[in-house]
Amino acid sequence: KAGVTQTPRYLIKTRGQQVTLSCSPISGHRSVSWYQQTPGQGLQFLFEYFSETQRNKGNFPGRFSGRQFSNSRSEMNVSTLELGDSALYLCASSIHQDTQYFGPGTRLTVL
Amino acid sequence: QKEVEQDPGPLSVPEGAIVSLNCTYSNSAFQYFMWYRQYSRKGPELLMYTYSSGNKEDGRFTAQVDKSSKYISLFIRDSQPSDSATYLCAMSPDLGFQKLVFGTGTRLLVSP
Repeated sequence: KAGVTQTPRYLIKTRGQQVTLSCSPISGHRSVSWYQQTPGQGLQFLFEYFSETQRNKGNFPGRFSGRQFSNSRSEMNVSTLELGDSALYLCASSIHQDTQYFGPGTRLTVL
Repeated sequence: QKEVEQDPGPLSVPEGAIVSLNCTYSNSAFQYFMWYRQYSRKGPELLMYTYSSGNKEDGRFTAQVDKSSKYISLFIRDSQPSDSATYLCAMSPDLGFQKLVFGTGTRLLVSP
């Protein structure tokens, strides 16, 4: 079975721009979660989607948004980028609530 | 103070050593405790998870939870160079990912 895939793997943007990241979950997994990973804060939960609906949301500003499509693929969007948004963005898919499988992440650099 | 504290390392050990990785936490509501391994340029991979206190063993890995001290450990026996990675602890008051709190990770280097 193919793992979780994320595209693109690396991205460089400038302040004020917006960005869209993509995640394809493991086949059959309907839950997709997004995380931001930085050296200082570690992994922080952004949101979770299940069957095209946002099921949970973390403590991030409204500039961070996401959606999920009928095939369970998910996208995450960050508008009006700030320098502090530079991070590794990880997507994880799951069937059950105790185990999630992470993708390799998208490394976003904001200049 | 962070809810979950983890020494960033790096922790350098020779091949074959017993490795002890630890996390402390402050939220007594945490009931589920997990250890993830993250290789460079990869996403985290779940190694083990335990519920409440006690030990759990899986091959060369043993996870321990001491809720009275708010302290969890991961032991790696007979460490191998392939164990070189960053180890993240994570914990939550219940199942579900929205309340999962991660440590910042300990980098482990096992030299041949």
